[in-house]
Amino acid sequence: GAGVSQSPSNKVTEKGKDVELRCDPISGHTALYWYRQSLGQGLEFLIYFQGNSAPDKSGLPSDRFSAERTGGSVSTLTIQRTQQEDSAVYLCASSLGQAYTGELFFGEGSRLTVL
Amino acid sequence: AQSVSQHNHHVILSEAASLELGCNYSYGGTVNLFWYVQYPGQHLQLLLKYFSGDPLVKGIKGFEAEFIKSKFSFNLRKPSVQWSDTAEYFCAVNLVGSSNTGKLIFGQGTTLQVKP
Repeated sequence: GAGVSQSPSNKVTEKGKDVELRCDPISGHTALYWYRQSLGQGLEFLIYFQGNSAPDKSGLPSDRFSAERTGGSVSTLTIQRTQQEDSAVYLCASSLGQAYTGELFFGEGSRLTVL
Repeated sequence: AQSVSQHNHHVILSEAASLELGCNYSYGGTVNLFWYVQYPGQHLQLLLKYFSGDPLVKGIKGFEAEFIKSKFSFNLRKPSVQWSDTAEYFCAVNLVGSSNTGKLIFGQGTTLQVKP
């Protein structure tokens, strides 16, 4: 597609369940980022991929959070044993590469609600 | 830790009023600076960016921003806002250096409401 695609757009789950969020970046973009947007908190960086490797995982809030990227394209963010404080909009963005001269292109996000 | 501060959380203006949104960052090194905008129901998109050169940067839709290095600031301005400028505005910083990953550090965002 022309833009960054994320699914699901909305996810409601019960506390303790695992969830998977998917991101399909713009074709040819080697860099991929996950952010979390909570009400009044701005955008919180979670993890960065360059190709399939993740040189910066510094923003993952706990070991319940993990992410992978395969084929230098699609990425999945997994949250295990969800907690209510995990409720947020999870945003994926991609860019042309590590030699950063451009902008991040964002998807529309996956809204996660943990009951 | 490096951070970005947006001092105005919620701004309400009438159409044709002038706009200035504050942004300050804490980092002593070289930075790239950005303003992103999120219109209601839409995804985040780039409004303007500063990498080097003229510290007064012009972006889309009549927006501009001025980088003042001595003040660690990158304030967003528009001389005359329109109702269609109603949106959330985010300031962001990229730290330039050997470990630069292109990661952006975002401020908390400012919600702008323009009354017709």
